[in-house]
Order: sequence, then C-alpha cells, then structure tokens
Amino acid sequence: KQEVTQIPAALSVPEGENLVLNCSFTDSAIYNLQWFRQDPGKGLTSLLLIQSSQREQTSGRLNASLDKSSGRSTLYIAASQPGDSATYLCAVNQGGSEKLVFGKGTKLTVNP
Amino acid sequence: DVKVTQSSRYLVKRTGEKVFLECVQDMDHENMFWYRQDPGLGLRLIYFSYDVKMKEKGDIPEGYSVSREKKERFSLILESASTNQTSMYLCASRGTSGGARITGELFFGEGSRLTVL
Repeated sequence: KQEVTQIPAALSVPEGENLVLNCSFTDSAIYNLQWFRQDPGKGLTSLLLIQSSQREQTSGRLNASLDKSSGRSTLYIAASQPGDSATYLCAVNQGGSEKLVFGKGTKLTVNP
Repeated sequence: DVKVTQSSRYLVKRTGEKVFLECVQDMDHENMFWYRQDPGLGLRLIYFSYDVKMKEKGDIPEGYSVSREKKERFSLILESASTNQTSMYLCASRGTSGGARITGELFFGEGSRLTVL
C-alpha cells in the first residue's frame, strides 16, 4: 500500500531564505506527483505537477524535483516571503489507479 | 481559469438530517472526487467518479453516497448525518488526455465546513 510522508511536519524560516520541503513515497510505480498549497480554512491550490517521466518542474520561485527510484520529491522555494506561509502537501497518483495518496503536509511559516 | 465550485462554505446540520454537498466544475473534466480532511488524519478519499453515472468507493465510503447525473456536477450525500461526520469536505476534479483514464492536474474547490450538532 502506497504511503506518502512529509517531514518535517512544521518549518519556520526567516524571510528571504531558500528552503526545501520533502516528500517521500514507498511505491515507485507512480503515474505522477503533485504539490499543493493550502491556506487555513481553504481548499488546496495546485502548485506543480510532475509526470513520472519528468525530473523537475518550475513555476516562478518554485521548483519541484522527482526521483522515482528513490521514492522522493522535493519542493524548493527561493527567496521565501511571508505570503508563502501555508501548509504544503504532496500527492502521488499510483500507476493504474485514479486514486491519489496524500501526505499530511508541512506547515511553513515565513517570518518577516 | 479553472473553476471548481462548492455550493456551501459553511453548513450546520442536526444529527439525523439528510445533507447534500454540491460540487460543479467548468472544465469538462471526467474525474471528480470527494475528500474529507480532519486534523491529524489528512485527506481521505470518500468517493470518486470517472464518468457520468460512474462511481467508485474510496477509503471511507461508509455513511456517504454520491450522485453524478451530469458531467459537471458531483454531489455528496449524507443520508443521516452524525456528529462524527463533522469535517471539512473538499471536492476536486481532473481531466484526462489521450484516451487514458488517469492523468492531469487535480483542482480543488474552496471546501465546505460541515458541523453536525
């Protein structure tokens, strides 16, 4: 059974710092992996989608990488800002299934 | 722009009431999902639909049913609400391509916070 883990559960950094969020999964037979952001009391906002054949995707200050063989993905945030404070979740789409398996997220706080 | 709309942001219902949560997407997506999110438990899949009138149980379908009569609309039904169904409910949709049933970016609605008294 696929399991997705995000460590740490919470992270606090000063403004301007570059940071990396981690996501690991136990079964490498995935179709794709997606990173989301969630603000308190709101739905999830899609940040980046990486297909299994890709190594990375970039959007603005965000860069997500995928290493299927080691079961890992990272989300790199450059020059963090207080507005980046949110919970970041990753989800993997298991190969041959419509279902996504979500991690429990990393709560990021960027201090001014 | 992509749009997934959940009909109610906040609902308060009484134990035993029948509750309808509605979700509409405007992207002509084939796949639609209902999740619930609880502190410490993360997102859990209740039901999903991969086409009109097609549905499959997720990980926690007990106490819930769904309806998908039209492609753009996916409804979650609590036949007899109970206090342990107090939660944040999230609807999501996703398109497919190249004839595959799975692919694509998942888009979420704003969520419906349900309180059952």
